Amino acid sequence: AQSVTQLDSQVPVFEEAPVELRCNYSSSVSVYLFWYVQYPNQGLQLLLKYLSGSTLVKGINGFEAEFNKSQTSFHLRKPSVHISDTAEYFCAVSHVYNQGGKLIFGQGTELSVKP
Amino acid sequence: DAGITQSPRHKVTETGTPVTLRCHQTENHRYMYWYRQDPGHGLRLIHYSYGVKDTDKGEVSDGYSVSRSKTEDFLLTLESATSSQTSVYFCAISESGGGPRYFGPGTRLTVL
Repeated sequence: AQSVTQLDSQVPVFEEAPVELRCNYSSSVSVYLFWYVQYPNQGLQLLLKYLSGSTLVKGINGFEAEFNKSQTSFHLRKPSVHISDTAEYFCAVSHVYNQGGKLIFGQGTELSVKP
Repeated sequence: DAGITQSPRHKVTETGTPVTLRCHQTENHRYMYWYRQDPGHGLRLIHYSYGVKDTDKGEVSDGYSVSRSKTEDFLLTLESATSSQTSVYFCAISESGGGPRYFGPGTRLTVL
């Protein structure tokens, strides 16, 4: 079985500062990894995903994430955040043999960008 | 924005009544999912579908059933609603089996 741990429930940061949202996973088989963003009162949007290939994945809105197999991590980063990045961010995992792409989600990290 | 809608968007019902939530997509995507979102639990998969009439259970399927008679519609039914099913329900779709690509706007369900 897989599991996902988002290490920070809340991350406050000032505008234009860099940010890293941490995600660790547990799985006995190879995995696919995902980051989603949820703005207030909206559904989730896919930010980026790692399926295979390069371990550095670039997504929308200037975000990127790096897959580190040895540390079983998939941390999300942005070099300079904006007020509009304030949202909740979810890391998710599925194993590569999983029909239908059933995902296990982490509990979310609230990113709060302050002026 | 992807063409995915949910109805109703809000519903208040009483314990023991049946409830059906509808997800409609215009993307012709093969996979459709129902998730529930609760504070402290993130999102949890209820059921998913990998084609018309092809469905499977997720991690929290007890008390829920689904049906998919057309590519564009995926229905979630609570046969007899309980207060523990008070939640926000999200439908999602994807073209391939690599995980949900688009999510709907959600349905807020309150069971009194």
